[in-house]
Amino acid sequence: AQKITQTQPGMFVQEKEAVTLDCTYDTSDPSYGLFWYKQPSSGEMIFLIYQGSYDQQNATEGRYSLNFQKARKSANLVISASQLGDSAMYFCAMRETSGTYKYIFGTGTRLKVLA
Amino acid sequence: NAGVTQTPKFQVLKTGQSMTLQCAQDMNHEYMSWYRQDPGMGLRLIHYSVGAGITDQGEVPNGYNVSRSTTEDFPLRLLSAAPSQTSVYFCASSYRSFNTEAFFGQGTRLTVV
Repeated sequence: AQKITQTQPGMFVQEKEAVTLDCTYDTSDPSYGLFWYKQPSSGEMIFLIYQGSYDQQNATEGRYSLNFQKARKSANLVISASQLGDSAMYFCAMRETSGTYKYIFGTGTRLKVLA
Repeated sequence: NAGVTQTPKFQVLKTGQSMTLQCAQDMNHEYMSWYRQDPGMGLRLIHYSVGAGITDQGEVPNGYNVSRSTTEDFPLRLLSAAPSQTSVYFCASSYRSFNTEAFFGQGTRLTVV
């Protein structure tokens, strides 16, 4: 069964430093997508980055990169040069192609960037 | 370009009342879904639809009904509100493909007293 696990309820990082948010997943489907979303205190959900199960290279979008280790079933989000505006809740999500195309989300990690 | 429009933004209900949360998208997405967000629980899938006339249950469907008569609309009905349904509700839509992101509505903060 589909499952997403985020084991870090909260994280702190100093401004301008890099931070890694952990995400592990479980699926038996060979084709799937992994996503990260940001939820600032205002509440909206913002898509950050996507990684496909067949992608050979790690995805990058500006200061965001996804450290994809398929054999370990992990898809960690790396934020480089943290900014105060990065303080938010971050959710990892997975989508399979098993016919339902459901998105399943993890429990989230709350990141606080310190000045 | 409205994207996903979710209404209302806030709602207070009394226990036992019913109501409908509205969700509409203008991107011709086949897939639509409803989530509830509770502290420490992440986003949990209530119901989803892969096209007009097709709906299915997620992980927490009890107490909620959905229908999908058009591609654009996917309303969520609370049949008899309970305090346990106090939550923030999100509607999301996307293309029916594993490599496309979901677009979210602004959320509805529901309080049941």
